[in-house]
Amino acid sequence: DQQVKQNSPSLSVQEGRISILNCDYTNSMFDYFLWYKKYPAEGPTFLISISSIKDKNEDGRFTVFLNKSAKHLSLHIVPSQPGDSAVYFCAAENRDDKIIFGKGTRLHILP
Amino acid sequence: DTEVTQTPKHLVMGMTNKKSLKCEQHMGHRAMYWYKQKAKKPPELMFVYSYEKLSINESVPSRFSPECPNSSLLNLHLHALQPEDSALYLCASSQAPLGTAYGYTFGSGTRLTVV
Repeated sequence: DQQVKQNSPSLSVQEGRISILNCDYTNSMFDYFLWYKKYPAEGPTFLISISSIKDKNEDGRFTVFLNKSAKHLSLHIVPSQPGDSAVYFCAAENRDDKIIFGKGTRLHILP
Repeated sequence: DTEVTQTPKHLVMGMTNKKSLKCEQHMGHRAMYWYKQKAKKPPELMFVYSYEKLSINESVPSRFSPECPNSSLLNLHLHALQPEDSALYLCASSQAPLGTAYGYTFGSGTRLTVV
């Protein structure tokens, strides 16, 4: 039973364009949604989060949108840069002190 | 200091060995976590320590034994592991156990190989 789903295993985007990573969830009780970025041989790095009471949060080039009725969130990166090439995990936190991760999307930024 | 430090970075152990993984943070975080990550899979939660007490054990086999000696340290003791336990073991910490909007800070992990 996958509560957090990232249906695209990989995504290729031209440098300078917008990268959009998508995530769906099934549990309406999640409090926060988070995005992590992971390079090979490193632990995940926290990028940005959004509370379940908001629909948008922006931090520099990164914006997360939350659509609660659709149980969907997305991460927008604009403009995309070569250093953005990594695996991106969507995660959701529930009141039981657990963060549940999606399977990740590998983002390739093309020159 | 804004890091979570894990040692060793790599570990190869036999199925009869006893070893320990160590994790340290000095950010004043009061929750610490062990995650296991297999190749091309998301991290899977193993244990949660909240204010130095074990609050969550995700039905992890007893051959994995966590320990939290103080608020800055988290250990994972390993004994009689199986080859399928080979994985990247990630430690993480967070400011507070519940409702953190700031996510976790992860260490770089220990790459464990059981032979």
